[in-house]
Amino acid sequence: DSGVTQTPKHLITATGQRVTLRCSPRSGDLSVYWYQQSLDQGLQFLIQYYNGEERAKGNILERFSAQQFPDLHSELNLSSLELGDSALYFCASSVRLAGDEQYFGPGTRLTVT
Amino acid sequence: AQKVTQAQTEISVVEKEDVTLDCVYETRDTTYYLFWYKQPPSGELVFLIRRNSFDEQNEISGRYSWNFQKSTSSFNFTITASQVVDSAVYFCALSESLGGTSYGKLTFGQGTILTVHP
Repeated sequence: DSGVTQTPKHLITATGQRVTLRCSPRSGDLSVYWYQQSLDQGLQFLIQYYNGEERAKGNILERFSAQQFPDLHSELNLSSLELGDSALYFCASSVRLAGDEQYFGPGTRLTVT
Repeated sequence: AQKVTQAQTEISVVEKEDVTLDCVYETRDTTYYLFWYKQPPSGELVFLIRRNSFDEQNEISGRYSWNFQKSTSSFNFTITASQVVDSAVYFCALSESLGGTSYGKLTFGQGTILTVHP
């Protein structure tokens, strides 16, 4: 158990819908990261928050947004969902802004039908 | 831009064989960090090792060992006396230093699927 929790574990929704994925980092970790894993794209970095502030962005679609709350948990919002958004979404956390190992949550498997 | 290449898509071995997973990286930073993660069939990503660019010492942890060579931009991972429980997808990843704009972002290789047969 990495200490990072993610909910829900599975999510099935229809195209055009909006979903929210939730992540709680390990105790003491200030950085939260979101990654997407799909068969065609592999593991891709989406976005990083550090102590409530957005610090780095990857190839995150405009339909996707995230935030980190004062208690350091984070949410990833996916809207106007398309079939191609079906993937495994991981949250990870680390102590510092950069350089540390990241501990990953169990992931949320999103299926868009 | 940083890049990680794991040229071996799939490796199949028989239990007790030694196996080496290759990882080659590209970065323009002088300070960077390298990682290996394991993704077993259950799907979670498990951290195995972190190396910074100034530490070229090889590391051994039980049956696992890592060989970091800056001269060839490689960070290879060897499992000695493989076991069925080692069957998983293994990812090599790279992170730039604070001096870059990518911060803690991990750039992953495509992964190597390791299957260990009894």
